[in-house]
Amino acid sequence: GQNIDQPTEMTATEGAIVQINCTYQTSGFNGLFWYQQHAGEAPTFLSYNVLDGLEEKGRFSSFLSRSKGYSYLLLKELQMKDSASYLCAASNSGGYQKVTFGTGTKLQVIP
Amino acid sequence: DSGVTQTPKHLITATGQRVTLRCSPRSGDLSVYWYQQSLDQGLQFLIQYYNGEERAKGNILERFSAQQFPDLHSELNLSSLELGDSALYFCASSVGEVSYEQYFGPGTRLTVT
Repeated sequence: GQNIDQPTEMTATEGAIVQINCTYQTSGFNGLFWYQQHAGEAPTFLSYNVLDGLEEKGRFSSFLSRSKGYSYLLLKELQMKDSASYLCAASNSGGYQKVTFGTGTKLQVIP
Repeated sequence: DSGVTQTPKHLITATGQRVTLRCSPRSGDLSVYWYQQSLDQGLQFLIQYYNGEERAKGNILERFSAQQFPDLHSELNLSSLELGDSALYFCASSVGEVSYEQYFGPGTRLTVT
C-alpha cells in the first residue's frame, strides 16, 4: 500500500517563499507528482519527479529524495493567485500505474 | 482548458438510483483515469483504461463500473447510489499507458439526496 503525509494548511506572505513538504511510504514507488487545485476546480499538473534532486520550473521547484521518502514543493515570489491546495501524489512502478494522492495542503497567501 | 471534457457538470439524484458520467479525453490521449474527490477523503484513484482495456484498479466499489469505447471516450456508471457517494468525480487523460502528466477534466459534481 501507499501512505502519503503533507501538512493540512499553511499561510505565507505575498512575495515570500514557501516550502510544502510531503513524505511517502510506498511499495513499488516510481515517481512523485505535485498538483495545484483551486477550490472547486480540477487539479493542474505542476511537476513529476522520478530522479533525486531539484527540478525548477519558473517560480515553482520540486525536490525528491527517494532514499528518504521525501519531497517538497518550493514556491517563490508568492502571488495571491497561488492560494490553492497543493496535492502530493505517488505513482507506483510495474507497468500498470496507480496514483495515490495525499489529502493536500491548503496554502493561503496573505498581503 | 485542459482539453478533457466531462458531462454533466452537475447531477442531483436520489439514493438507490443509477447514473452515468461521461468523459472525452484530450485528442490523441489513449489513457483515461477516473477519480473521486470527497471532502473527507481527498482525491481517490478509481480506475484506468488504456485504449479500451482496463489497466489499473484503485478504490472502486463493486457498485461502480467503467468502460472505454472505441472512440476513446469513457463512461463511469454508479449504481445503487448512497448518500456517501456524493462527491466530485474527475476524469483525467494522458498519452500513454504509464503517464508522467495527466490532464484533468472540470469534473462532475454528484449530489445524492
